[in-house]
Amino acid sequence: DAGVTQSPTHLIKTRGQQVTLRCSPKSGHDTVSWYQQALGQGPQFIFQYYEEEERQRGNFPDRFSGHQFPNYSSELNVNALLLGDSALYLCASSTSGRTNEQFFGPGTRLTVL
Amino acid sequence: QKEVEQNSGPLSVPEGAIASLNCTYSDRGSQSFFWYRQYSGKSPELIMFIYSNGDKEDGRFTAQLNKASQYVSLLIRDSQPSDSATYLCAVKRAGGTSYGKLTFGQGTILTVHP
Repeated sequence: DAGVTQSPTHLIKTRGQQVTLRCSPKSGHDTVSWYQQALGQGPQFIFQYYEEEERQRGNFPDRFSGHQFPNYSSELNVNALLLGDSALYLCASSTSGRTNEQFFGPGTRLTVL
Repeated sequence: QKEVEQNSGPLSVPEGAIASLNCTYSDRGSQSFFWYRQYSGKSPELIMFIYSNGDKEDGRFTAQLNKASQYVSLLIRDSQPSDSATYLCAVKRAGGTSYGKLTFGQGTILTVHP
């Protein structure tokens, strides 16, 4: 049973560019949440997708957008990258009825130069 | 005031001792409380969650919750060097619009030395 997968593992971009990160949830899970974790900090909630809709959003600007596909996989898009967007981006999957059990993927390390 | 506060540490304990990790939260609407372990360079993994006042035990781990004091802790008995990691405390509000949003503290670095 595959767990949560994310791609790519690492990414280097320059300021102003755009990036797309991908996540496949654990089998049987239908809800995907995205978090940003800066070095030395705890993860910060970006948004959550369920039934292909953004269900809840954290305090992130509109440069951060996402999408969920019918197979429950999800993408996180960040436009106009800033140096401060450098972080580990984590995807967590769960089922809509059991959001107490969120399982994190390995993350994508984004470096903005 | 941060929503979830943890002592960043590092907390150093000898092998075999009890490690005590603490967390306070500010939102009285918080309903569920989580402890995650994160090894360096890896993603967080769920240790356990608790939503009722009192203690909840799972193997060597015990979570303790006191909603009146807005305090949650994690005890690790018989600490092992493999327990050395960052421990993240997270909270989730009650149902309705909270869905699955977790609010994390900054984490406490635990080092267990032989």
